[in-house]
Amino acid sequence: KNQVEQSPQSLIILEGKNCTLQCNYTVSPFSNLRWYKQDTGRGPVSLTIMTFSENTKSNGRYTATLDADTKQSSLHITASQLSDSASYICVVRTTGTASKLTFGTGTRLQVTL
Amino acid sequence: GAVVSQHPSRVICKSGTSVKIECRSLDFQATTMFWYRQFPKKSLMLMATSNEGSKATYEQGVEKDKFLINHASLTLSTLTVTSAHPEDSSFYICSASPPFGGVQETQYFGPGTRLLVL
Repeated sequence: KNQVEQSPQSLIILEGKNCTLQCNYTVSPFSNLRWYKQDTGRGPVSLTIMTFSENTKSNGRYTATLDADTKQSSLHITASQLSDSASYICVVRTTGTASKLTFGTGTRLQVTL
Repeated sequence: GAVVSQHPSRVICKSGTSVKIECRSLDFQATTMFWYRQFPKKSLMLMATSNEGSKATYEQGVEKDKFLINHASLTLSTLTVTSAHPEDSSFYICSASPPFGGVQETQYFGPGTRLLVL
């Protein structure tokens, strides 16, 4: 069964600190992995997208890594800001004409003063 | 980047009434749009795939007669929740992808519609 698991479920950090969110997946056949940021009451916004051959991708203070062998990904946030408070969702797409997205349950991040 | 809009952003209705939610791709044409439902603190669950000019494809367990989907143009898909009940209260989100994006294609999500059925 295709699954995407994220950890931790929730996280509280001080402003300015770094943090790393984890994503493990069992989705197959793999096409790509995306990280989305979802503010409360809003739709998800894409942060990064990585294919099988990509190990790391950055978008400003966000850096995503992918290990396709171990089927793990991480999202590292540097110098966190209050506006980073949101849910971060890992989404994996399968290949083929029946391509589908499998969503993780997300990590709720709260950045405090 | 590409923009997907939804209307209304929130709606409150009485049990038994029908509610229509619109999803528009503002700067690209989308032959396929997707409708998701999200309950509090839960992940997005795909409800159906909306195909322009043809019938929608529903996920297992989603009642097609309850959640009517119409994709009459390349920029507009509508989801109608018929005879809504309190258990239909949820956050409904649509998404669309620009065509020809290939393996790097990104799905752009709408801002969501909060439905509360009293």
